[in-house]
Amino acid sequence: DTGVSQDPRHKITKRGQNVTFRCDPISEHNRLYWYRQTLGQGPEFLTYFQNEAQLEKSRLLSDRFSAERPKGSFSTLEIQRTEQGDSAMYLCASSLYSGGGSRTGELFFGEGSRLTVL
Amino acid sequence: KNEVEQSPQNLTAQEGEFITINCSYSVGISALHWLQQHPGGGIVSLFMLSSGKKKHGRLIATINIQEKHSSLHITASHPRDSAVYICAVRLWEYGNKLVFGAGTILRVKS
Repeated sequence: DTGVSQDPRHKITKRGQNVTFRCDPISEHNRLYWYRQTLGQGPEFLTYFQNEAQLEKSRLLSDRFSAERPKGSFSTLEIQRTEQGDSAMYLCASSLYSGGGSRTGELFFGEGSRLTVL
Repeated sequence: KNEVEQSPQNLTAQEGEFITINCSYSVGISALHWLQQHPGGGIVSLFMLSSGKKKHGRLIATINIQEKHSSLHITASHPRDSAVYICAVRLWEYGNKLVFGAGTILRVKS
């Protein structure tokens, strides 16, 4: 296993189009996180999954954003009717959670998917 | 006010210098991560701390839970250390939500 992979690495789209990003976590990791990062800022939490269950969504995630992890393995993040403000790097990370607040393991990040909305 | 504050925002050092990056937080946490981000987006986890001190090679991370403060030190800095260093805290109250600092941009000149 080579780590967390994201696809595509870069996406340029016109305003109003839909885009979908995919994240393949490390195979034994049960937690998967999506973050968004704009230039000069630290990543912002969007949502996370434990196995196939989506446990939390940020208020940043409008109804145009939806994320799934149907089989508890890979995840997709879809943005409908993209706006220029959606331009950002979308980062995926995974970790192994073994129960209890302090027993979440190290985070492993993908390379990110950079979205540019024209 | 952000829950996680890093300082400095930008840091330029000469090769060989000892570097310190600071992180202060205002919430209850279960763990603190130090991350390194190179240009192009890739993020690597350097340390995960819940108490005390950890060392890996030339990198040392410390955390003081009472003072809600952590530091990342780089000894004998090298140009390849140039990157953005990000502090992120895992909140007690919100399950495993991570809150990130804005990052410290480090440039090490040869």
